[in-house]
Amino acid sequence: EVQLSESGGGLVQPGGSLRLSCAASGFTFSSYGMSWVRQAPGKGLEWISAISGDGGKTFNSDSVRGRFTISRDNSKNILYLQMNSLTAEDTAVYYCAKEAAAGGVITQFDCWGQGTLVTVSS
Amino acid sequence: QSALTQPASVSGSPGQSITISCTGASSDIGTFNRVSWYQQHPGKTPKLIIYEVTNRPSGVPDRFSGSKSGNTASLTISGLQADDEADYYCNSYTTGNTKFGGGTKLTVL
Repeated sequence: EVQLSESGGGLVQPGGSLRLSCAASGFTFSSYGMSWVRQAPGKGLEWISAISGDGGKTFNSDSVRGRFTISRDNSKNILYLQMNSLTAEDTAVYYCAKEAAAGGVITQFDCWGQGTLVTVSS
Repeated sequence: QSALTQPASVSGSPGQSITISCTGASSDIGTFNRVSWYQQHPGKTPKLIIYEVTNRPSGVPDRFSGSKSGNTASLTISGLQADDEADYYCNSYTTGNTKFGGGTKLTVL
């Protein structure tokens, strides 16, 4: 069974940093692109960052480019999101999501974690 | 990176059919057949229900169908059931990134 489990969320002050992790199991992690998608309270889904299966290609939305860095450790089956210079607008539930097809990236997501809440507030 | 445009809400009675539209641009929906739809019940994680415009993942009822014309994609749900009441999001690939629609709340009357 494919499983994704995020961790690392919490309360952080504006301007601060946080690193999220997503532990994956039940599939060949290195064969699939992965993404981070966030959802602000009461709002819709927003894709923010993606990485290819081998980690060689990364993609970021305009809203996080230069502040957030996606990475992965295929030896540990873990996806990361390093978030710097956080603002109140970054407050959201952050989901990791698995690409539906091997070799694909940022096309469609067939498995989502339960999400981890990041709150940016003083 | 403008989001795709969806109606904020739609409603229908049990047994009826509804269609949710998703309008993009020639640079996303109009060019790529990488349109997907997600269902999200309150407090739950999103679930993929349509991928590559028309395809259903295993386990998704055939009451759910997708289509595309020009820059607009559509999700049709036939034979509405109470459990279909949820938020629905479209998504389209575009070069270098992917976009979600703003979401549509489906109410089953």
